[in-house]
Amino acid sequence: QKEVEQNSGPLSVPEGAIASLNCTYSDRGSQSFFWYRQYSGKSPELIMFIYSNGDKEDGRFTAQLNKASQYVSLLIRDSQPSDSATYLCAVMGSGNTGKLIFGQGTTLQVKP
Amino acid sequence: NAGVTQTPKFQVLKTGQSMTLQCAQDMNHNSMYWYRQDPGMGLRLIYYSASEGTTDKGEVPNGYNVSRLNKREFSLRLESAAPSQTSVYFCASTGTNSNQPQHFGDGTRLSIL
Repeated sequence: QKEVEQNSGPLSVPEGAIASLNCTYSDRGSQSFFWYRQYSGKSPELIMFIYSNGDKEDGRFTAQLNKASQYVSLLIRDSQPSDSATYLCAVMGSGNTGKLIFGQGTTLQVKP
Repeated sequence: NAGVTQTPKFQVLKTGQSMTLQCAQDMNHNSMYWYRQDPGMGLRLIYYSASEGTTDKGEVPNGYNVSRLNKREFSLRLESAAPSQTSVYFCASTGTNSNQPQHFGDGTRLSIL
């Protein structure tokens, strides 16, 4: 079992729709969770981080964390073609080592 | 504000050659990291340095060495390059609290023939 799992996609949504990206993790002691966006040929760019159970909203983005279910998700409202990218879920393992474990990423396609 | 700077951006090597990838950050961050990214594999941690003078292995350290030259700089060395090390390499850094988000450089695209 991979430590951080994402559906590789592609996830295709029409412009203006809500895109829902999901991630599960295996280390129950994980404390910090991050979503990065990566355009083709570019470096990962942080878009959201969440530490506590529940929802965290930033503009069109909402991160949701459920530690009991070991599940973190990213919702993108009013999806735009410019949101088309690969979204990487990253989890900080227990033990405060600073090590991030990345999922393989989900490719999102927003169609005009 | 440069953030994390990696050099070179591209490199082609022959099998058996050696090279050093350079990384520098100007954010006064304590922790620095080296990742590799292969198609469909996400990012995998090679080595990291929690603070100046310390380094530790990540998930895929074989074939690599690192040096934390000072607080700003963290280099990755391939002593004898192999085709399996063809990848995109990213350096990242984070602040005093290692739970903080990591900031990435633009990457080095390395091909080994």
